[in-house]
Amino acid sequence: GQSLEQPSEVTAVEGAIVQINCTYQTSGFYGLSWYQQHDGGAPTFLSYNALDGLEETGRFSSFLSRSDSYGYLLLQELQMKDSASYFCAAHNAGNNRKLIWGLGTSLAVNP
Amino acid sequence: NAGVTQTPKFQVLKTGQSMTLQCAQDMNHEYMSWYRQDPGMGLRLIHYSVGAGITDQGEVPNGYNVSRSTTEDFPLRLLSAAPSQTSVYFCASSYKSGSYEQYFGPGTRLTVT
Repeated sequence: GQSLEQPSEVTAVEGAIVQINCTYQTSGFYGLSWYQQHDGGAPTFLSYNALDGLEETGRFSSFLSRSDSYGYLLLQELQMKDSASYFCAAHNAGNNRKLIWGLGTSLAVNP
Repeated sequence: NAGVTQTPKFQVLKTGQSMTLQCAQDMNHEYMSWYRQDPGMGLRLIHYSVGAGITDQGEVPNGYNVSRSTTEDFPLRLLSAAPSQTSVYFCASSYKSGSYEQYFGPGTRLTVT
């Protein structure tokens, strides 16, 4: 089967750094995306990795290791507004717009 | 650009009723998809389309139909609503090539009693 595993909850304080891990087991893996979703809102795209290594976009970075079937999202200089759910999603090689989603990690940022 | 729009925002149905959830995008995206999201769960793909006239099934297609007669519109039809279809439904769109970002609509919150 196909599955992605990520922690269900993470708690951190403002200004800190947090890493959200994602391990995947999918057939025909193409790449890994990360999305943010605030309560009651729609998912919004954060980053995409197809190759091994780190992609940096402002305070957020995403890493992929294809050999380890593992990726992570790194959030730096945490702000209260970063409190949200974060989802990793694997792209399918047969149709690289087709996504399998993890169950999401709920991040709580405390003052 | 309005982006991805969905109507209605909220809907209550009785078991056995049918309805259509509307989705439209004005970004000329070839790829469109429908997801459902249940509490504490990730998104599960219902149906998707890689262009006008082309649709395919996702992970959980049973009880739902789609069609794609234009690039802009991708309606989702519930044939005979069941309580198990109570969920939040999201429509998303993206280009078929290039950027991998998917753009989501605001969602439709559906309750089936």
